[in-house]
Amino acid sequence: DTGVSQDPRHKITKRGQNVTFRCDPISEHNRLYWYRQTLGQGPEFLTYFQNEAQLEKSRLLSDRFSAERPKGSFSTLEIQRTEQGDSAMYLCASSLGTYTGELFFGEGSRLTVL
Amino acid sequence: AQSVTQLDSQVPVFEEAPVELRCNYSSSVSVYLFWYVQYPNQGLQLLLKYLSGSTLVKGINGFEAEFNKSQTSFHLRKPSVHISDTAEYFCAVSVHAGKSTFGDGTTLTVKP
Repeated sequence: DTGVSQDPRHKITKRGQNVTFRCDPISEHNRLYWYRQTLGQGPEFLTYFQNEAQLEKSRLLSDRFSAERPKGSFSTLEIQRTEQGDSAMYLCASSLGTYTGELFFGEGSRLTVL
Repeated sequence: AQSVTQLDSQVPVFEEAPVELRCNYSSSVSVYLFWYVQYPNQGLQLLLKYLSGSTLVKGINGFEAEFNKSQTSFHLRKPSVHISDTAEYFCAVSVHAGKSTFGDGTTLTVKP
């Protein structure tokens, strides 16, 4: 059984650079979620997809953030012109469309912006 | 909108002692409730969930939680903890159609 995988696991970048994270969900899951987690906080919702459709996007998400799920399988989260405040763990989760609410999380991608 | 408050940020407890991690939520509609656990350097994994029915739900590793609608609470309990239960615990709430909202977590530290 292959779980949710995220790549890269760690990314260090300089302020102003662009970064992209990839998430591969569990294969039969049609919902995919992105969350952000900072130290001492719980996961904060960013956006989610059902198949390739982006159904909701957090108002906290600035225009520098964009997410795609082009074929309803893997997803990418891009952050343009990174800022030090973007430093966080970016979590991906997937779930079944027959919604029971259970999320299956990857191990996260840690971003450090210098 | 929904919100979750975990009342204790850190809970230290001795091995084999009972523990309760407290969670209150706010919502104007019916919700589903979850507890997730995050071990060091691992992803979050589901401990247990309440969708409907019996208000006492049992999960993995001997944990259980009780849904109290009148007090809008979903406290997590274990009668006897082990060293291996040391982890971060997150309470979450969702409305059936969409995202989950998480609390800020409770760090459970089990001491020998």
